Amino acid sequence: GAGVSQTPSNKVTEKGKYVELRCDPISGHTALYWYRQSLGQGPEFLIYFQGTGAADDSGLPNDRFFAVRPEGSVSTLKIQRTERGDSAVYLCASSSGLFTDTQYFGPGTRLTVL
Amino acid sequence: LAKTTQPISMDSYEGQEVNITCSHNNIATNDYITWYQQFPSQGPRFIIQGYKTKVTNEVASLFIPADRKSSTLSLPRVSLSDTAVYYCLVGEYNNDMRFGAGTRLTVKP
Repeated sequence: GAGVSQTPSNKVTEKGKYVELRCDPISGHTALYWYRQSLGQGPEFLIYFQGTGAADDSGLPNDRFFAVRPEGSVSTLKIQRTERGDSAVYLCASSSGLFTDTQYFGPGTRLTVL
Repeated sequence: LAKTTQPISMDSYEGQEVNITCSHNNIATNDYITWYQQFPSQGPRFIIQGYKTKVTNEVASLFIPADRKSSTLSLPRVSLSDTAVYYCLVGEYNNDMRFGAGTRLTVKP
């Protein structure tokens, strides 16, 4: 596709439920990043994939958060037992994978936990 | 990870030049300086990147002094559509870079 796409654009769930957020990166981009952004704050790094493997997951806040990228393209961020504090915009970005090359961001998924 | 400090907000008027300075006192030898722009309800968008001296593209200029402990993003002749949040990031790799709260630029008519 022309850019990074994320689905759904909005997700409302109840406390304690499980959610999956999907990211479709730019074709050919080997690096993929997940961020979380709360209102008035900058994006907070969660996890970075190089190919199929999670090269850096140091930003995941706890073990309720997990992400996969099984074929090295599409990635899914999974959140178990959601809490109200998980409400935020979840952003995905991709890049060609070289050091500090440009990250291209998707529009984000707005997650609301009631 | 190099920490960055930027002004929380700035105001300007259409047609003016805007300079946003970012401090990064503990920048490492291999770190690059990258600026992103973010409009409401959108993901950040790359503006410019540099290592030292001056970099210019069709959108902005980036000035980096010899000690590299700060950098200045310069936006020439801003318009209302430049109203956005601007982030300064420092790192050797993308996953080393951390977004701060950014600088909220408001351009007034």
